[in-house]
Amino acid sequence: QSALTQPPSASGSPGQSVTISCTGTSSDIGKYNYVSWYQQHPGKVPKLIIYEVTKRPSGVPDRFSGSKSGNTASLTVSGLLAEDEADYYCSSYAGSNKFVFGPGTRVTVL
Amino acid sequence: EVQLVESGGVLVQPGGSLRLSCAASGFTFSRDWMHWVRQAAGEGPVWVARIKGDGRETGYADSVQGRFTISRDNAKNTVYLQMNSLRVEDTAVYYCAVEGEPAGLCPWGQGTLVTVSS
Repeated sequence: QSALTQPPSASGSPGQSVTISCTGTSSDIGKYNYVSWYQQHPGKVPKLIIYEVTKRPSGVPDRFSGSKSGNTASLTVSGLLAEDEADYYCSSYAGSNKFVFGPGTRVTVL
Repeated sequence: EVQLVESGGVLVQPGGSLRLSCAASGFTFSRDWMHWVRQAAGEGPVWVARIKGDGRETGYADSVQGRFTISRDNAKNTVYLQMNSLRVEDTAVYYCAVEGEPAGLCPWGQGTLVTVSS
């Protein structure tokens, strides 16, 4: 049960897009379409923004989108807003009733 | 409105035991998988354990397997995490969360702080 891999940081100017990668293995991301993404602002509780690779919970703007190719999932934030500055974590089902999180990517809006 | 309220976090010595509780309301508790996730200061979340709505299936992170036990009482709308043989590295804020979407945790509670230190 290894953690997923994410870049520690990403940045973009307001209005631009930023894409965050999340790399796993053939036992988690590569095997299941159960990748989720969470947004966490400082001092706040993580918030689900993407589930099942591409789906958005009610109330999450369509500026947030997810995708997957092989063992790597990606989160794209389009039309960056200042409020998008936060930490983003990916998660995947890993079989046998286990889950795994990535270490997180800090997104900075320049 | 879904509400999750964790309790039970305290300072405990290495090797000690603790039971966390998470009281749920605002949804059909017995239907949903429930999770515990922990987050150490300055670190990302780490998944800990999961339990099915009827309590018949569970799963654990390798780091806690054999030391922690997740359970639930659907009559009390409460999920528990029994933590034994605690280690310094178990120090974290522990969150409970509903698997409100397939493999997606939403929402999360506000967390309870567990500190393992001598």
